[in-house]
Amino acid sequence: EDQVTQSPEALRLQEGESSSLNCSYTVSGLRGLFWYRQDPGKGPEFLFTLYSAGEEKEKERLKATLTKKESFLHITAPKPEDSATYLCAVTSGTYKYIFGTGTRLKVLA
Amino acid sequence: DAGVIQSPRHEVTEMGQEVTLRCKPISGHNSLFWYRQTMMRGLELLIYFNNNVPIDDSGMPEDRFSAKMPNASFSTLKIQPSEPRDSAVYFCASSWSGDSEQYFGPGTRLTVT
Repeated sequence: EDQVTQSPEALRLQEGESSSLNCSYTVSGLRGLFWYRQDPGKGPEFLFTLYSAGEEKEKERLKATLTKKESFLHITAPKPEDSATYLCAVTSGTYKYIFGTGTRLKVLA
Repeated sequence: DAGVIQSPRHEVTEMGQEVTLRCKPISGHNSLFWYRQTMMRGLELLIYFNNNVPIDDSGMPEDRFSAKMPNASFSTLKIQPSEPRDSAVYFCASSWSGDSEQYFGPGTRLTVT
């Protein structure tokens, strides 16, 4: 069965304290892995798409990487405005979008 | 573009009543998704439309739920009759294709008492 697992469930960082969020997946034929950011009371906002192992994408303080089994979202020198829930999703050969349960990130000033 | 538009933003109804949620996708997108989000179960795909045709409705929880997409710019999700366990935030999302990045609306927070 296709599955996406994110860890940790919650993470508290001090401003400037870099860390990584993990997204492990088991799918039959990965077509794409997506990272989204969700702020309270809002819909998820698209961040990155990764298609193949070894691929990396960057946006400001965020960098997403992909291996054959997992993806990492690296946050470098985070700021309080980076506080949000980060969601990972995959599409497989069945074209079905599967979301993880997310990591709630809190960055303290 | 205004992005994905959903209405209403909040809906409070009594058990047994019919609820209709509405969505206007981004112009030009040919795929539309309805999701339900709760603290317990996270984000669950309910139904996926491609070119206004329902492709995958395996996530629709039961016959009380139905969805339509009469044209490329409008979709509805109906719950009849509603139950307290249907309380959740319902999101509509659209994309260029079934496996490309999705753009979400602001959601409808449904409370069934």
